[in-house]
Amino acid sequence: AQSVTQLGSHVSVSEGALVLLRCNYSSSVPPYLFWYVQYPNQGLQLLLKYTSAATLVKGINGFEAEFKKSETSFHLTKPSAHMSDAAEYFCALGGAGNKLTFGGGTRVLVKP
Amino acid sequence: EAQVTQNPRYLITVTGKKLTVTCSQNMNHEYMSWYRQDPGLGLRQIYYSMNVEVTDKGDVPEGYKVSRKEKRNFPLILESPSPNQTSLYFCASSFREGGAGSPLHFGNGTRLTVT
Repeated sequence: AQSVTQLGSHVSVSEGALVLLRCNYSSSVPPYLFWYVQYPNQGLQLLLKYTSAATLVKGINGFEAEFKKSETSFHLTKPSAHMSDAAEYFCALGGAGNKLTFGGGTRVLVKP
Repeated sequence: EAQVTQNPRYLITVTGKKLTVTCSQNMNHEYMSWYRQDPGLGLRQIYYSMNVEVTDKGDVPEGYKVSRKEKRNFPLILESPSPNQTSLYFCASSFREGGAGSPLHFGNGTRLTVT
């Protein structure tokens, strides 16, 4: 069975500091992986996706993620946090039937 | 503008009173699905549809029904809502399966409260 684990339900960073959100997955087949962001009272917006073309994936708003097969990880980073990055972030694993298996989410708080 | 539209955004109802949440997409996507979001659990798939008249259960289908009579619409029906169905619901669509690397496009959500 597929699964996704996000370490840390809440992360607090200072403005300008590195943002690191951790995601580990379990899949019996080569994975398709996604990071989504959810702003308050909104739906989920795609940040980036991994589809085996390159292990380092760049997304919108300065985010990037690195796929590490040996560690079954797909961690999300941003070098310098901005106040507008305050949101909830979800890692997701693609599966059959239009299904994404989501992690529990990580809420990011950015301190001025 | 490409979008997935859900209605209503907020809904408060009582136990046992049938309700329908509508979902429509304008991207001509084949795949559509419903998810519910609960704190700490992320999003879990309720039902999905691969095309008109083709639907199947997701991970948490109990207490829900869906139909896909037209390609653009995928309503979610709760025939006898119960308090444990209080949640935030999202409709999503995609060109291909999420398992084939096709990202999902989400609506803005429907917050349902069942008392």
